[in-house]
Amino acid sequence: QSVLTQPPSASGTPGQRVTISCSGSSSNIGSNFVFWYQQLPGTAPKLLIYRNNQRPSGVPDRFSGSKSGTSASLAISGLRSEDEADYYCAVWDDSLSAWVFGEGTKLIVL
Amino acid sequence: EVQLVESGGNLVEPGGSLRLSCAASGFPFNIYWMHWVRQAPGKGLVWISRVNPDVTHTTYAASVKGRFTISRDNAKNTLYLQMNSLRAEDTAVYYCARESRHDAFDVWGRGTMVTVAS
Repeated sequence: QSVLTQPPSASGTPGQRVTISCSGSSSNIGSNFVFWYQQLPGTAPKLLIYRNNQRPSGVPDRFSGSKSGTSASLAISGLRSEDEADYYCAVWDDSLSAWVFGEGTKLIVL
Repeated sequence: EVQLVESGGNLVEPGGSLRLSCAASGFPFNIYWMHWVRQAPGKGLVWISRVNPDVTHTTYAASVKGRFTISRDNAKNTLYLQMNSLRAEDTAVYYCARESRHDAFDVWGRGTMVTVAS
């Protein structure tokens, strides 16, 4: 069981806006930057959001991140079929002295 | 092209050892922190270990501490993971990843599969 809690699944129809939550604690999200990774089926993870809300070049602005207190969220607007993937939040945990990942959220585009 | 390529994955018996390699190309390997992350079949990502550019600082997840050793050869642009006393629960795809200046894992390899079974 991860120290970061994500919903196991989320879904939406094309064009909709979907949010994925990531809940942690004061030793991780509450005191450090949050990162989000996308893993398409059968592929390696890809960086989607860094330092809470920054997008690497090449990531569409349909993807956005936010953080408040000990929780963070990933929002995907204008949902597309190619967004169907697993999404993971990640953060450094000061108590564990380790990087921790959420358990992942499978996004289904209906 | 910036690239990471893992190798060394195999089928090994419980209690056995294996060394994974991660060959880096297309960027100055010797200035980046590097990490290993694993993913058991059908499961999520789990961070395993990291090493700083000059190998003076290493960190491990509790689940592998004392059994796994991370290292690197900057002259060969290669990251390693020595895995000893392997257990069935170590079965996973092992990814190496580069840590960017923004602390993100911005480059990932395709992974190498390690299966621990008798």
